[in-house]
Amino acid sequence: GAGVSQTPSNKVTEKGKYVELRCDPISGHTALYWYRQSLGQGPEFLIYFQGTGAADDSGLPNDRFFAVRPEGSVSTLKIQRTERGDSAVYLCASSLGTFGGETQYFGPGTRLLVL
Amino acid sequence: QKEVEQNSGPLSVPEGAIASLNCTYSDRVSQSFFWYRQYSGKSPELIMSIYSNGDKEDGRFTAQLNKASQYVSLLIRDSQPSDSATYLCAAGGLYNFNKFYFGSGTKLNVKP
Repeated sequence: GAGVSQTPSNKVTEKGKYVELRCDPISGHTALYWYRQSLGQGPEFLIYFQGTGAADDSGLPNDRFFAVRPEGSVSTLKIQRTERGDSAVYLCASSLGTFGGETQYFGPGTRLLVL
Repeated sequence: QKEVEQNSGPLSVPEGAIASLNCTYSDRVSQSFFWYRQYSGKSPELIMSIYSNGDKEDGRFTAQLNKASQYVSLLIRDSQPSDSATYLCAAGGLYNFNKFYFGSGTKLNVKP
């Protein structure tokens, strides 16, 4: 079956603009995660959804970042008033949602560049 | 102290040798651990998961977990040039098992 998909694959924007990044999880996976990866670093947790609700948003860096998953499948990560420091690869992952600490499967990522 | 720490490398081994990758973790993570492989410009892909103390083998890969020493390792036998990548160690959080903490990764170079 299809894996996690993310769109767009690349996004270039100007400082101060608003961007939306989309994630479509593996079919049947109820848990969805967003991570951010900067060059030379491991992924950094942003937010975790179980179904439609955000179960843990402790990794969102500030209130410019927001994520939704209205129907429990596709999720959108929204970044307002982008800053150059937001440039990174944004990774989405999904898992079955049956137990804590289960394997997370990653999508190809969206490479965001803020000029 | 970071929750998960890895030597950044690069670790260079000749083709056919055993590559040994190491990871230490703090007591702020839970007992679920994962090794992911990441090729340059690509996303992480799962190699192994390990939840119990001891060894877990899958083909050429063996993960080892030592809870007393707070240490996780990955051994790659008969290393191939296609194994050249960055290997990420991850652990579930202590209070939210689904909040993974990643190390910075170890870059492995397998020389033909």
